[in-house]
Amino acid sequence: QKEVEQDPGPLSVPEGAIVSLNCTYSNSAFQYFMWYRQYSRKGPELLMYTYSSGNKEDGRFTAQVDKSSKYISLFIRDSQPSDSATYLCAMAAGNTGKLIFGQGTTLQVKP
Amino acid sequence: SQTIHQWPATLVQPVGSPLSLECTVEGTSNPNLYWYRQAAGRGLQLLFYSVGIGQISSEVPQNLSASRPQDRQFILSSKKLLLSDSGFYLCAWTRVVGYGYTFGSGTRLTVV
Repeated sequence: QKEVEQDPGPLSVPEGAIVSLNCTYSNSAFQYFMWYRQYSRKGPELLMYTYSSGNKEDGRFTAQVDKSSKYISLFIRDSQPSDSATYLCAMAAGNTGKLIFGQGTTLQVKP
Repeated sequence: SQTIHQWPATLVQPVGSPLSLECTVEGTSNPNLYWYRQAAGRGLQLLFYSVGIGQISSEVPQNLSASRPQDRQFILSSKKLLLSDSGFYLCAWTRVVGYGYTFGSGTRLTVV
């Protein structure tokens, strides 16, 4: 079993839709949770990070962490065609901060 | 401000040739440094990480090695490349564990 599971999609939505992206994990030692966006042939770009259960909002993005269920989510409101990319969840634990990634979900927002 | 540099951007190498990829970070000190590889359509696989000069931890046994000769320099090497070494290699750093990791622009390696 992988430490971090993420549905690779692809996920296709119309412009303006609310997008929900999810990951589950098995390692209860994970303390830090992040979401990255990656455009084709580019390095990942950090969208959000959090270290506690609950919600964190930044503009159109909301990150949600439920440590009891080992489940994290990223919500994108009013999705735009420019949001079309691969979204990667990532988690880390301990002093070394080894960041473990999910497989990534490919999102397409259609105009 | 802090920046991370990776080079080269693309590389085509024959099987059996050596490899050296370099990553440097500017504007900070004593960063945690990481090398990842991403196969086509896949997530990122952690290869090596370093919490200080000369301190290297390997995550995946293979014919790659890493070194950190200076505080803000991280090098990925191989003596003899295999076809399976092809991929997108990414360097990342963080100053405080858990508070966001910044990635470089990556090196796309094709072994032929």
